[in-house]
Amino acid sequence: QVQLQESGPGLVKPSQTLSLTCTVSGGSISSGDYYWSWIRQPPGKGLEWIGYIYYSGSTYYNPSLKSRVTISVDTSKNQFSLKLSSVTAADTAVYYCARDDSSSGSSIDYWGQGTLVTVSS
Amino acid sequence: QSALTQPASVSGSPGQSITISCTGTSSDVGGYNYVSWYQQHPGKAPKLMIYEVSNRPSGVPDRFSGSKSGNTASLTISGLQAEDEADYYCSSYTSSNHVVFGGGTKLTVL
Repeated sequence: QVQLQESGPGLVKPSQTLSLTCTVSGGSISSGDYYWSWIRQPPGKGLEWIGYIYYSGSTYYNPSLKSRVTISVDTSKNQFSLKLSSVTAADTAVYYCARDDSSSGSSIDYWGQGTLVTVSS
Repeated sequence: QSALTQPASVSGSPGQSITISCTGTSSDVGGYNYVSWYQQHPGKAPKLMIYEVSNRPSGVPDRFSGSKSGNTASLTISGLQAEDEADYYCSSYTSSNHVVFGGGTKLTVL
């Protein structure tokens, strides 16, 4: 059973960089059918796709966040990471890491539990 | 990329059927049979209910079904049960090799 777990600071100051890591267990991040995703959900609002990465390092980002987002992968640690720069209060959200199954129409079949990141001074 | 359009809320009584629509464009919903639906209960991570428009993952009741016509996909829940009360989100693969979500629909079981 694949499991994903987000980790990182729960509080980030405005203008700083938000950094989160997702550790994957129960499966290899190098499996060819999957893209490793970050999705966020502001309190009381809907889901927003941030972007994803293939194990080879190919990345795809939401155009609205592209200038501030970097997603990277460390296959040796079975982890992938998110960096979001120049954060504001609007970036306060629950951040989920997830597995996107490209062999099943880009459906997200495994999700982390989510971690709340608050942007505040 | 713009979010897919879903109704903000729908409701139904136990045993009834409801349908939630999800409207996109020819660059996402209309262009691919890659629409998924997710159920999210308060405080929980979303759960995949439908993939590739109409396929159910193992363990999802057959009361949940999906379809698509043109740029609009639909999720139908038949035989509504109290535990179906949740938020539902659609998503689609896009021509830019991205993913886009709908704004979400709150289902109330009366």
